[in-house]
Amino acid sequence: DAKTTQPPSMDCAEGRAANLPCNHSTISGNEYVYWYRQIHSQGPQYIIHGLKNNETNEMASLIITEDRKSSTLILPHATLRDTAVYYCIVRRNYGGSQGNLIFGKGTKLSVKP
Amino acid sequence: EPEVTQTPSHQVTQMGQEVILRCVPISNHLYFYWYRQILGQKVEFLVSFYNNEISEKSEIFDDQFSVERPDGSNFTLKIRSTKLEDSAMYFCASSQDRASYEQYFGPGTRLTVT
Repeated sequence: DAKTTQPPSMDCAEGRAANLPCNHSTISGNEYVYWYRQIHSQGPQYIIHGLKNNETNEMASLIITEDRKSSTLILPHATLRDTAVYYCIVRRNYGGSQGNLIFGKGTKLSVKP
Repeated sequence: EPEVTQTPSHQVTQMGQEVILRCVPISNHLYFYWYRQILGQKVEFLVSFYNNEISEKSEIFDDQFSVERPDGSNFTLKIRSTKLEDSAMYFCASSQDRASYEQYFGPGTRLTVT
């Protein structure tokens, strides 16, 4: 089972920041936090990942709390094309990780004009 | 940008028939995966494949399923005798290595078993 908890749905106004929370209170020290999204039954798409430091790339920012028990994905200027289901996943990267992703139900983000 | 491709996009088959779903992973990737998503449900891991053998498989991946990399480019998922409950979207993914940060997913094959 997924080790994360996310709200089932969220709305965001176009052009505003979308902040998607994720709880992962049982995360282990060697587990990373990953975010993927799935736009309308397409294949999931990688967004960002992090271990304990905040991360930013061209798509999003990832803020991880100091105790690593929760994180927030931030889409700084949401567009209609960001409407999708967003998945928060914890996964080991090294030392025996089998690599498969365990998806939960995710958060359905609806960006509205 | 390189991408994972899958064929066919939609496959309709009768219960009990064999189906083969095809995937072309990104060319320099070494790890390959199949996932499935029943309509309205979660994406579920089926199997991972590396160096011409299965690395890991889930409980879903029973004896009715098999995977193969018949040549240097294709990666296939075979279901020997399809059941109604096999109806789902099947996604192929690939990554550069097992520890790779990113898995690249294909667009999926919608399998409908009647």
